[in-house]
Amino acid sequence: NAGVTQTPKFRILKIGQSMTLQCTQDMNHNYMYWYRQDPGMGLKLIYYSVGAGITDKGEVPNGYNVSRSTTEDFPLRLELAAPSQTSVYFCASSRDSVTSGNTIYFGEGSWLTVV
Amino acid sequence: AQKITQTQPGMFVQEKEAVTLDCTYDTSDPSYGLFWYKQPSSGEMIFLIYQGSYDQQNATEGRYSLNFQKARKSANLVISASQLGDSAMYFCAMREGRNYGGSQGNLIFGKGTKLSVKP
Repeated sequence: NAGVTQTPKFRILKIGQSMTLQCTQDMNHNYMYWYRQDPGMGLKLIYYSVGAGITDKGEVPNGYNVSRSTTEDFPLRLELAAPSQTSVYFCASSRDSVTSGNTIYFGEGSWLTVV
Repeated sequence: AQKITQTQPGMFVQEKEAVTLDCTYDTSDPSYGLFWYKQPSSGEMIFLIYQGSYDQQNATEGRYSLNFQKARKSANLVISASQLGDSAMYFCAMREGRNYGGSQGNLIFGKGTKLSVKP
């Protein structure tokens, strides 16, 4: 039962570098999300997608880009990494919109440090 | 104003006892939902329980129950018969409809409560 899989689990980046966090889900969910969790805080939504080819900004999108070419994959791109992007990143998915009460299933998180 | 408030940064409970984790929320949306998630030290987010604003009865899932007091805008999580494996961070989260500032993906999270179960 794979669920939501994200890679890498840990990464250290230098300021100004770029990288992509990979996320894939095998539940045929329409909706996918990227959240970040700063130390001692709850999660904040970066971007989300309601289906292949459709993405939209969340609460904290600056410094990130996403794409959704397939139902399964939703990579998150960090361009010109900054120390403020040091965080734990969670990919998640849900069958339908969370506004209808469907639960969101999370990946195991990716710990990113920018130095 | 915070939309989700968890006033207990940390709590201790004796194994086998019940514990209540507090959550209050603020919304003007008549149709909202409340979630509780568990985050163990390994970091993953585990869904525990959901309560819709129109649900007549309090939600229950095994040892977890949600004490939903709509007039007080509170949605406290009750864990019965605590186990050592319940030691974790617990997050309360809310979703609102699009007309009230919510988006289809935006769960608003509280800052969490760290629960420690003592043997």
